[in-house]
Amino acid sequence: NAGVTQTPKFQVLKTGQSMTLQCAQDMNHNSMYWYRQDPGMGLRLIYYSASEGTTDKGEVPNGYNVSRLNKREFSLRLESAAPSQTSVYFCASSDGRISGNTIYFGEGSWLTVV
Amino acid sequence: AQKVTQAQTEISVVEKEDVTLDCVYETRDTTYYLFWYKQPPSGELVFLIRRNSFDEQNEISGRYSWNFQKSTSSFNFTITASQVVDSAVYFCALYFTGGGNKLTFGTGTQLKVEL
Repeated sequence: NAGVTQTPKFQVLKTGQSMTLQCAQDMNHNSMYWYRQDPGMGLRLIYYSASEGTTDKGEVPNGYNVSRLNKREFSLRLESAAPSQTSVYFCASSDGRISGNTIYFGEGSWLTVV
Repeated sequence: AQKVTQAQTEISVVEKEDVTLDCVYETRDTTYYLFWYKQPPSGELVFLIRRNSFDEQNEISGRYSWNFQKSTSSFNFTITASQVVDSAVYFCALYFTGGGNKLTFGTGTQLKVEL
């Protein structure tokens, strides 16, 4: 019953370091998403991938890159971390069909940039 | 533009009180979905309900009920006889296919249920 799995769960980075957040889903979903959650701002979409081989910017893409490695995996990379990227990151997936859509979320990754 | 507004930042109630969380949305799409998620202190997002734009029937599930009104673009959530375990942040979200299958969240309502 894995669903959506994110790693790592916790990470502390120094300003300027790079890192990749990994996300994998085992539900054969077409669409995958990366959100960040900051106090008082809800969840904001960083990037999404409507289907394998496609990625698009969301609301707050600056400072991030993504890779849809295959249908299962969607990674988020911070090339040069900044304190403003301290946040909780959630990966999500959905089947993308109008009739059956439900969004499933991972457990979150807590990232601190010092 | 697609937007979800949760005007209530924080609500405090005493256990067993009923509480309603408000959600107002904006969209030009005729086909869309509305969601409610719960985020307890542990941090995970728990799916509560999904409602599509063609189904305005209200729904009750145990102590939870939802009132969807397209005329006022609202999708409100009521907890009857609240319990301490209901304390969490609740998010309303809008999913529309016109913009590439994206889920847009409101800013959340922090519900505190006290003894």
